[in-house]
Amino acid sequence: NAGVMQNPRHLVRRRGQEARLRCSPMKGHSHVYWYRQLPEEGLKFMVYLQKENIIDESGMPKERFSAEFPKEGPSILRIQQVVRGDSAAYFCASSETRNTEAFFGQGTRLTVV
Amino acid sequence: TQLLEQSPQFLSIQEGENLTVYCNSSSVFSSLQWYRQEPGEGPVLLVTVVTGGEVKKLKRLTFQFGDARKDSSLHITAAQPGDTGLYLCAGALSSGGGADGLTFGKGTHLIIQP
Repeated sequence: NAGVMQNPRHLVRRRGQEARLRCSPMKGHSHVYWYRQLPEEGLKFMVYLQKENIIDESGMPKERFSAEFPKEGPSILRIQQVVRGDSAAYFCASSETRNTEAFFGQGTRLTVV
Repeated sequence: TQLLEQSPQFLSIQEGENLTVYCNSSSVFSSLQWYRQEPGEGPVLLVTVVTGGEVKKLKRLTFQFGDARKDSSLHITAAQPGDTGLYLCAGALSSGGGADGLTFGKGTHLIIQP
């Protein structure tokens, strides 16, 4: 059973471009969580999704950021018009239910130049 | 805003020594999780503590949840170089193990020198 798969592992974008980060949860997991880890900062919760639904987006910036988890395919975290401050490691986690152990992926390291 | 303070921020000790790292908050959490993260990797869950005063052991690691569910500690006995890593605590509003809205501390960078 493969773990949580995130791709790409590293992503470089110029200011103003769009970044798309993908997360394939573990088999049988329908709950996905996105976290951001800024340099020298702790992990910050962004959004929690369950198939086709956003359950909690209290940590998502109001502009330029969006997330989806379609019925088929991976969850996508989309950042439009990236700025240097978006440079960070973005981690996805998945769990079978809301109250069972969540497993984190290896992360996508986004660098905005 | 709920905050988790971890101390020390950095710790470097010799193999075989014992150590304790702390996770403190002014807020009450339903449960608290400890993770270990290695460079370039995602956090890996070590343990979840739920009940105030709870003590859990994982080989040489002992985790304790404070009586008031505001703080926690991780004690490592006879540290090994393989214990090197970033140790994170995370407070949860639910008592389960999910990752919804976890509040993470900044972590303790632990280096065990052979």
